[in-house]
Amino acid sequence: DTEVTQTPKHLVMGMTNKKSLKCEQHMGHRAMYWYKQKAKKPPELMFVYSYEKLSINESVPSRFSPECPNSSLLNLHLHALQPEDSALYLCASSRSSGNQPQHFGDGTRLSIL
Amino acid sequence: AQTVTQSQPEMSVQEAETVTLSCTYDTSENNYYLFWYKQPPSRQMILVIRQEAYKQQNATENRFSVNFQKAAKSFSLKISDSQLGDTAMYFCAFTLINTGTASKLTFGTGTRLQVTL
Repeated sequence: DTEVTQTPKHLVMGMTNKKSLKCEQHMGHRAMYWYKQKAKKPPELMFVYSYEKLSINESVPSRFSPECPNSSLLNLHLHALQPEDSALYLCASSRSSGNQPQHFGDGTRLSIL
Repeated sequence: AQTVTQSQPEMSVQEAETVTLSCTYDTSENNYYLFWYKQPPSRQMILVIRQEAYKQQNATENRFSVNFQKAAKSFSLKISDSQLGDTAMYFCAFTLINTGTASKLTFGTGTRLQVTL
């Protein structure tokens, strides 16, 4: 069982839809991350939240909008996505955004029609 | 900038045998952590082992051990007594040690390991 829970596990959406990905952890971690992973490639960092504040944005297009409502939750709001945005979206958390290991969720498999 | 290189895209090993996955990295910094993550077809990234750069002793976790050569900037993973459940993509990763609020994992391109009967 993973300690980082992501929902939904699969999502299919059209390019005009608005949807959200959710991530939750109850390990008391204060850093949370969003990654995008294409098939057979390593994860690419998108966003980092530290103590509920956005600390890293890796020049991600504005059609991806992160939100950290509290220390346990991380959302990724999606709007007007493109077919190339189809990927596995992974959430991770760590005790701090320093050198502690990141714990990953199972990911959301996103398909854009 | 830091880079991580995994030169073996795919490897195969028979059950119960030993296999070594290679990883090299490049950095001008002195204080950092190295990790090996495993991603099975179930797709969750699982931490296998980590090594602090300031420790000379190689990290070991049950059947998994590393050969950390700081001067050579090499960090290989040895899996002993391979099991079918070890079949996965293995990523080597690097992060700088810092006390700030932002840090990033730099991943290698991965090695796909297949354990066969």
